[in-house]
Amino acid sequence: NAGVTQTPKFQVLKTGQSMTLQCAQDMNHEYMSWYRQDPGMGLRLIHYSVGAGITDQGEVPNGYNVSRSTTEDFPLRLLSAAPSQTSVYFCASRPTSDYYEQYFGPGTRLTVT
Amino acid sequence: AQSVTQPDIHITVSEGASLELRCNYSYGATPYLFWYVQSPGQGLQLLLKYFSGDTLVQGIKGFEAEFKRSQSSFNLRKPSVHWSDAAEYFCAVGPAYGNKLVFGAGTILRVKS
Repeated sequence: NAGVTQTPKFQVLKTGQSMTLQCAQDMNHEYMSWYRQDPGMGLRLIHYSVGAGITDQGEVPNGYNVSRSTTEDFPLRLLSAAPSQTSVYFCASRPTSDYYEQYFGPGTRLTVT
Repeated sequence: AQSVTQPDIHITVSEGASLELRCNYSYGATPYLFWYVQSPGQGLQLLLKYFSGDTLVQGIKGFEAEFKRSQSSFNLRKPSVHWSDAAEYFCAVGPAYGNKLVFGAGTILRVKS
């Protein structure tokens, strides 16, 4: 049981490049979410999903896309990276039965130059 | 709008000393409150949560928190800090049933021996 895994751990992009941050969980959790963490701002919700085929926007969705084709995977896509997207990104999942017992992945540190 | 304020960005305590981390929230309805801990290079882990009932909540690793509605506070305490408690601590508030937690900016705890 690996929990929530994220790849890559580190990534450097140039402005305008695109990439996908991967997130997978093996706990059969319906709910998954993406946060970004910036110094002095805590975690902010980007997008979330309550099940395969269902996604919704969080607090800071602009510049990011998500899809959820399987229960296990919830990738986050940056379509055209900007320096303002330099951040640490966390994926989390939880069971439907417990609204707040979220399990977090180890994070992806992204730098956009 | 809902918000969480953690007034202390950094706190340093001696090993064995007591600890109190402050959290104040602004929320329009009955708040559900949480404390998470993030060790360096790791994702977040739930320490404890308050939904209703007894205003003093016990969590993992010897932590407790007290909900004070009159002061809109949910401070985290530990009677005797261990070096392994050095980490960043986040307070969060959310609705009764929902998908969106609002996090505070975090407090970095340093433990000196």
